[in-house]
Amino acid sequence: DTEVTQTPKHLVMGMTNKKSLKCEQHMGHRAMYWYKQKAKKPPELMFVYSYEKLSINESVPSRFSPECPNSSLLNLHLHALQPEDSALYLCASSVDSLSEKLFFGSGTQLSVL
Amino acid sequence: GESVGLHLPTLSVQEGDNSIINCAYSNSASDYFIWYKQESGKGPQFIIDIRSNMDKRQGQRVTVLLNKTVKHLSLQIAATQPGDSAVYFCAELTTGGFKTIFGAGTRLFVKA
Repeated sequence: DTEVTQTPKHLVMGMTNKKSLKCEQHMGHRAMYWYKQKAKKPPELMFVYSYEKLSINESVPSRFSPECPNSSLLNLHLHALQPEDSALYLCASSVDSLSEKLFFGSGTQLSVL
Repeated sequence: GESVGLHLPTLSVQEGDNSIINCAYSNSASDYFIWYKQESGKGPQFIIDIRSNMDKRQGQRVTVLLNKTVKHLSLQIAATQPGDSAVYFCAELTTGGFKTIFGAGTRLFVKA
């Protein structure tokens, strides 16, 4: 299984809502990532988890809260988002944090109204 | 090249021709340089990488060239096919790992 699975594929939420994005991989990878991608732009790194510990937070606002419950799962909790947070949120994994090969899911297309 | 506003640099090639996609990078200290392909509605897909101490690497129908003197990376696709139509991103893995940073993308159109 070489897949990274993200749910939901699409999400519409209001600015007062709380929602969560989920990501799962069963490749035994020990590094997992959240990226944000706006239309026609490259993915921007948000968070890196290595061995279930948060290693990098790229100065992401606290309304985004990552969680890594175990080595296969990665969540992104969303609260009080702004319309400018609307984007494609991509999850990725790699063998470890030194690996140059990332495996991406298909993303969650988020719209904040 | 750099994307400006909402416009991606675009390369249009005839099916069967060779494609060359270019990228300028800024961080000389990166360990690896990587090319990803992103099709509509999908996440980026790894194509090929090159270590910073190399200047050329070949894969199946693809070749990556690295010129550290001018901080330039290129992806050559031989005998381009309609299935190669996508946005291509260069990326770099920073020294010590953890961070893969993406450069501006190029949209490749393949005309049948």
